[in-house]
Amino acid sequence: NAGVMQNPRHLVRRRGQEARLRCSPMKGHSHVYWYRQLPEEGLKFMVYLQKENIIDESGMPKERFSAEFPKEGPSILRIQQVVRGDSAAYFCASSPGQGQGNEKLFFGSGTQLSVL
Amino acid sequence: GENVEQHPSTLSVQEGDSAVIKCTYSDSASNYFPWYKQELGKRPQLIIDIRSNVGEKKDQRIAVTLNKTAKHFSLHITETQPEDSAVYFCAASPGFKTIFGAGTRLFVKA
Repeated sequence: NAGVMQNPRHLVRRRGQEARLRCSPMKGHSHVYWYRQLPEEGLKFMVYLQKENIIDESGMPKERFSAEFPKEGPSILRIQQVVRGDSAAYFCASSPGQGQGNEKLFFGSGTQLSVL
Repeated sequence: GENVEQHPSTLSVQEGDSAVIKCTYSDSASNYFPWYKQELGKRPQLIIDIRSNVGEKKDQRIAVTLNKTAKHFSLHITETQPEDSAVYFCAASPGFKTIFGAGTRLFVKA
């Protein structure tokens, strides 16, 4: 059973370009979370999605950032017009669902975004 | 929303000693408290978790305690080994999203 798959592992963009980060959850998991981690810091919640629905995007900047989890295919975190401050590791996690026993998060290996 | 505070930010212990990391949370609706270990350049991995209907849980050398009244929970690692060196994150979840503490960098000196 493959774990949470993220790609690419490393992404280099110049200021003003777009960054697209992909995440395929574990088989059987319908809930996807995106977290951002700056160097030497913790995991900051960005957005929580279920298939075709954004459930909670309270941690995601209102501008330039968007996320989706379509019916088919991976979840996508999209950052438009990247700036140097967007440089960070972006982790995706998935869980089977809500409720007791379903909250455990399984993380992908992350995408390290570097903005030049 | 939920806010999780974690102390200390850095902890250095001698091999064989115990290490304790403490966290507090703000949202009384939180009922699930996982702990994750992250080695340098790697993904966070769940090491132990506890639910609000349990006060203590142990798994070999690690144990977690939870005080719901005080909204405190702690991670205890006994007989520390060099391979325990990593960053440890506590977290709290009311069931729909998980909020993490800032992390504790644990150094175990051989």
